[in-house]
Amino acid sequence: KNQVEQSPQSLIILEGKNCTLQCNYTVSPFSNLRWYKQDTGRGPVSLTIMTFSENTKSNGRYTATLDADTKQSSLHITASQLSDSASYICVVSWNTGGFKTIFGAGTRLFVKA
Amino acid sequence: EAQVTQNPRYLITVTGKKLTVTCSQNMNHEYMSWYRQDPGLGLRQIYYSMNVEVTDKGDVPEGYKVSRKEKRNFPLILESPSPNQTSLYFCASSLMLAGGPNEDTGELFFGEGSRLTVL
Repeated sequence: KNQVEQSPQSLIILEGKNCTLQCNYTVSPFSNLRWYKQDTGRGPVSLTIMTFSENTKSNGRYTATLDADTKQSSLHITASQLSDSASYICVVSWNTGGFKTIFGAGTRLFVKA
Repeated sequence: EAQVTQNPRYLITVTGKKLTVTCSQNMNHEYMSWYRQDPGLGLRQIYYSMNVEVTDKGDVPEGYKVSRKEKRNFPLILESPSPNQTSLYFCASSLMLAGGPNEDTGELFFGEGSRLTVL
C-alpha cells in the first residue's frame, strides 16, 4: 500500500534555530516528491520539488534532501523565523496511466520568539 | 494574477440540503482536483479531472459528485450532505506534463479552502 509518513507530528523551536522534518514513503514507482507549506487557514504552497535523480534542492532557508534508495526525504529549515510557523506537507507523486498523488499528514511547526 | 478561486469560503448547512462548492482557475491547467482535510489526516483526494469531460474518483468519493464542462471550472456537488462531510475542502489545479518516472509532473496550485459545516 502506498503511504507517506511524516515526523514529528508537531515541533516547537525558538526563533533563529534550525530544524529538520522527516518524510518516509512507500510509493512505487516514484515520480517526484514535493514539500508544501500550509499556513493556518490557507491553501498549501509548494516549497520544493525533487525528482528521482536529485539528492538535494534549496529554496532560500529551506533545503530538501532525498534518498530514493531508502525512500526518505527531509526538509531542513535554517535560522527559523516566526513566519515559518505552519504545517509542512510531504507529497509524493507517481504516474501509472494516471497522475496520482498522496499526501502526508504534515508536521505542525511552531516558532516561538 | 494566477489563482484558484473557491466559493463559498465558509458555509453552514443542514443535513440533506444540496450544495455546490465552485472552483475556478485562470491558468489554463488541464488537471483539477478536490481534496478534503480533516484534523490529524493528510489531504485526501475526492475526485480529479485530467481534462474537460474527464473525471475520476479519488480516495474518498462517496457522497460527492463533480463535473468538468469547461477547462477552468470544476464544481464539487454534495447532493445530500451529512455531518461526516463537515470538513475543510481544497480545490487544486496543475499543468500536466508528460508523465512518467523521474519527470516533473506539475506543481499543484491550491485555492484558499472552503470550510463546510453540516448540522
